[in-house]
Amino acid sequence: DVKVTQSSRYLVKRTGEKVFLECVQDMDHENMFWYRQDPGLGLRLIYFSYDVKMKEKGDIPEGYSVSREKKERFSLILESASTNQTSMYLCATHSNQPQHFGDGTRLSIL
Amino acid sequence: EDQVTQSPEALRLQEGESSSLNCSYTVSGLRGLFWYRQDPGKGPEFLFTLYSAGEEKEKERLKATLTKKESFLHITAPKPEDSATYLCAVGNPTSGSRLTFGEGTQLTVNP
Repeated sequence: DVKVTQSSRYLVKRTGEKVFLECVQDMDHENMFWYRQDPGLGLRLIYFSYDVKMKEKGDIPEGYSVSREKKERFSLILESASTNQTSMYLCATHSNQPQHFGDGTRLSIL
Repeated sequence: EDQVTQSPEALRLQEGESSSLNCSYTVSGLRGLFWYRQDPGKGPEFLFTLYSAGEEKEKERLKATLTKKESFLHITAPKPEDSATYLCAVGNPTSGSRLTFGEGTQLTVNP
């Protein structure tokens, strides 16, 4: 079974802080994704990566960046956290279909 | 631009009361239509992939069907443990491994 591990289930940070969300997968998948999930808006793609050191913008990349230095790890970075970035963040991986998800990080920005 | 619309937004059923969830989609060539189940506080869990109109997949009390414009998730004689949010997503050949998700249907099955 694919295992996608997100480093924190719950996280509380302050406005203006730099925030790191980590995602690690154990299946050697090439593709990794970061989504955010908000009520009434569904899952929206922030960034994705097809390979180490490769990254592509998703639909809502503003205010975020990513890092993929190793194949198994994909980090989402909030450069200067704002209250409108309070959300559930989900990481997913993919090699052959379907995408597999972690259990999410619920991030609150105060 | 791919679009996915799920209906209803929320559905309450009594245990044993069968029903269907709808996923309407617009896509420039379907690479696959995916159904996921999401429990509160958890990530989505994969259920089915459908690739072409007429295809059907079954798992326990769930059956997914596909036409050229929509997919249905039929739930037969549901139990309280089927309560969850059900998500539908589509991929197209030009988007690589990206998926477009619907907003989901929140299903509650009362005992």
